[in-house]
Amino acid sequence: QSALTQPASVSGSPGQSITISCTGTSSDVGGYNYVSWYQQHPGKAPKLMIYDVSNRPSGVSNRFSGSKSGNTASLTISGLQAEDEADYYCSSYTSSTVVFGGGTKLTVL
Amino acid sequence: QLQLQESGPGLVKPSETLSLTCTVSGGSISSSSYYWGWIRQPPGKGLEWIGSIYYSGSTYYNPSLKSRVTISVDTSKNQFSLKLSSVTAADTAVYYCARNPRGYCSSTSCRLGWFDPWGQGTLVTVSS
Repeated sequence: QSALTQPASVSGSPGQSITISCTGTSSDVGGYNYVSWYQQHPGKAPKLMIYDVSNRPSGVSNRFSGSKSGNTASLTISGLQAEDEADYYCSSYTSSTVVFGGGTKLTVL
Repeated sequence: QLQLQESGPGLVKPSETLSLTCTVSGGSISSSSYYWGWIRQPPGKGLEWIGSIYYSGSTYYNPSLKSRVTISVDTSKNQFSLKLSSVTAADTAVYYCARNPRGYCSSTSCRLGWFDPWGQGTLVTVSS
């Protein structure tokens, strides 16, 4: 199972919306609704932001949303805030293995 | 509130075995709803799933690490452990433990889920 493909970096200004993509194959992202997203600030552990493509855990801001089209899942952050600057990772868990994307660095300008 | 805490040596010599333990507090490791997983992150790089274990001892491993990895569970101590043998500098990383929801199970395997919550992580350096 190969790693999922994410852009190395994205950026946006406060208040704007940004989208981070996560591309897999029909065997993982495209075939099932089993994609999660994690936010990681420097020196901290990852934090779950989205699971099963579009579900938000309790306590996660509704500015974060997830979707999927074909073999590509997306994380959208609306109303960008300075505190959103972090690394973001997607993950697929379609079977008894888990694969992560390479990560995307979000810069808030 | 469920919490996980990794512990173990921060320095391991090349060719030796890396050993870490994750202690779960605020909940039971014997829950039927969860696996318990290990994930690592080399300095400046991305996340890599190592493997996951159920309280019964059922395990799933990353195929790329399977030959060197052993994950075990001690329900009496509410802990699970990782052993990675024949380590090299490439195994230098922050190692995290996390809870891993158990998805649908067929007669032969179970689908694993997302990771939440995570431990704070522990840096293990492989160096002589």
